Amino acid sequence: AQKITQTQPGMFVQEKEAVTLDCTYDTSDPSYGLFWYKQPSSGEMIFLIYQGSYDQQNATEGRYSLNFQKARKSANLVISASQLGDSAMYFCAMRGDNTDKLIFGTGTRLQVFP
Amino acid sequence: DTGVSQNPRHKITKRGQNVTFRCDPISEHNRLYWYRQTLGQGPEFLTYFQNEAQLEKSRLLSDRFSAERPKGSFSTLEIQRTEQGDSAMYLCASSRLAGPRWSTGELFFGEGSRLTVL
Repeated sequence: AQKITQTQPGMFVQEKEAVTLDCTYDTSDPSYGLFWYKQPSSGEMIFLIYQGSYDQQNATEGRYSLNFQKARKSANLVISASQLGDSAMYFCAMRGDNTDKLIFGTGTRLQVFP
Repeated sequence: DTGVSQNPRHKITKRGQNVTFRCDPISEHNRLYWYRQTLGQGPEFLTYFQNEAQLEKSRLLSDRFSAERPKGSFSTLEIQRTEQGDSAMYLCASSRLAGPRWSTGELFFGEGSRLTVL
């Protein structure tokens, strides 16, 4: 079975600072993909970044980067230069080799203050 | 707007009534997913379609729930004899099958349909 764990219910960060949101996963699949989504108060889930288990380099997308440590089974999201608009729920998710569905964690609420 | 569209956005119903939600995916996407999200939780998988075929159903999907995707385009999710525990946000997502199963093929979500059962 696959499982995603996000241990930080909430995080605060000051505008322009960097923040790391933690995500650990558990799977026995030899290959898998890891995703991060943002959910603002409007409710829509917005795809941020993807990391494949065989990717040699950590994924980056603009201000988002994924700190992938395969041996530790962690896939932390790093947001650089936080903006007020980054305030939202953030979900880590994975899809394994034997399934077509994404499994989500419980999320982390990020609040950016001026 | 060419994103995933869901309606109605909000539905308030009395216990025991039937409700139906509709999802229109991104037009070139062949996969369509339904998720349920309760307050403070991440989305939970309910079911998904590839074209018109329903390929997987979660055990969360009791016999009161049924989903269809006729002709492989829009999808409907019907809940019969609603219960207060059905109150949640119902999210629809679509994706385009490309590459290995575990590769990028991110899901594009709609804004969800919020159900409140009184």
